[in-house]
Amino acid sequence: EAGVTQFPSHSVIEKGQTVTLRCDPISGHDNLYWYRRVMGKEIKFLLHFVKESKQDESGMPNNRFLAERTGGTYSTLKVQPAELEDSGVYFCASSTGTSAYNEQFFGPGTRLTVL
Amino acid sequence: GEDVEQSLFLSVREGDSSVINCTYTDSSSTYLYWYKQEPGAGLQLLTYIFSNMDMKQDQRLTVLLNKKDKHLSLRIADTQTGDSAIYFCGTSYNTDKLIFGTGTRLQVFP
Repeated sequence: EAGVTQFPSHSVIEKGQTVTLRCDPISGHDNLYWYRRVMGKEIKFLLHFVKESKQDESGMPNNRFLAERTGGTYSTLKVQPAELEDSGVYFCASSTGTSAYNEQFFGPGTRLTVL
Repeated sequence: GEDVEQSLFLSVREGDSSVINCTYTDSSSTYLYWYKQEPGAGLQLLTYIFSNMDMKQDQRLTVLLNKKDKHLSLRIADTQTGDSAIYFCGTSYNTDKLIFGTGTRLQVFP
């Protein structure tokens, strides 16, 4: 069974540009999460999808970040326009459900560098 | 808000035991986790403990939970070079979003 995949693995862009990160969860997983780790700091929650609906987006930093999950399969996270402080590693995770213990499986992350 | 704290670095000799500590603030946390991240890889769940337990053992790993002090620890017995990685402590309420610490970088030397 394929794990959670993320694309690209690395992205280097200039301040003011737009970047779109993609996450493909494990097939059949309704829950999809985005997290971010800024250099040397804790991994912070960004948002949570249940199928195509945003269940919790309390961690989104500001309106330059837009997440979508059309059709409840893969998800994209767009940053527009990117700022220097957006640099970090963006992780995606998926799980089957939330009614009982369900492990979140993480992807390898996308390292975003904004110059 | 919720907060999880852990030390940044730990260095141990191969064969010794490693103990990684974590404190958290949210007393409503129902699950507490230890994740491992190896270079270039995502986070891999090592083990978790439910909040009504105080200890869980799984082969070389022992998790201790002191709910009164909101303290979680991970002990790795007979630490090997392959255990070198970043270890993240995490908490959640039910199986909601995870709250993580900064990660502890474990370095194992021969």
